[in-house]
Amino acid sequence: GAGVSQSPSNKVTEKGKDVELRCDPISGHTALYWYRQSLGQGLEFLIYFQGNSAPDKSGLPSDRFSAERTGGSVSTLTIQRTQQEDSAVYLCASSLDYGGNGYTFGSGTRLTVV
Amino acid sequence: TQLLEQSPQFLSIQEGENLTVYCNSSSVFSSLQWYRQEPGEGPVLLVTVVTGGEVKKLKRLTFQFGDARKDSSLHITAAQTGDTGLYLCAGTGAGSYQLTFGKGTKLSVIP
Repeated sequence: GAGVSQSPSNKVTEKGKDVELRCDPISGHTALYWYRQSLGQGLEFLIYFQGNSAPDKSGLPSDRFSAERTGGSVSTLTIQRTQQEDSAVYLCASSLDYGGNGYTFGSGTRLTVV
Repeated sequence: TQLLEQSPQFLSIQEGENLTVYCNSSSVFSSLQWYRQEPGEGPVLLVTVVTGGEVKKLKRLTFQFGDARKDSSLHITAAQTGDTGLYLCAGTGAGSYQLTFGKGTKLSVIP
């Protein structure tokens, strides 16, 4: 597609429920990133996928968070047993190669855990 | 861990004024990027600088990368209401793909 597409744009869930967030990157972009943006905070790195290599999961805050990327394209970020502190905007970005020349971000998914 | 400090955190100015936003670190970055983010949207890339001392101009915006590649500045001339938004700087270390973001400068340009 022309840009990075994320869905849903907004998600309200009850504490303890699982949620799945989807990212459809720009066609041909081999690198895909998930970041989290909380109110008053900068963007926090979560996970990075590059081609067929093993993902860098070093930014995932707990084992309740996981992500996969199928066929080198679409990615899903899953949060299990959501907590109120998980409330944030989850941003996906993609880039050609390693991203040193900039990322293209999606509009994000605003997650609210009540 | 590489940290980027942005200042000021908030800036409110009148239309037509000039302003400068700063991005500082104790670490060396191989590249530094500036993004602008509007409410409800993801950040949009404005510029990438990779060479120490580099200056890039984008219409009324001037970006500078410090000689030691540890700091950067964004200068806006004759600000317009359309410049309102959150300005984020982000850097990559040598051989790294991971962008480290500053917390941003929230700019409000008042008509």
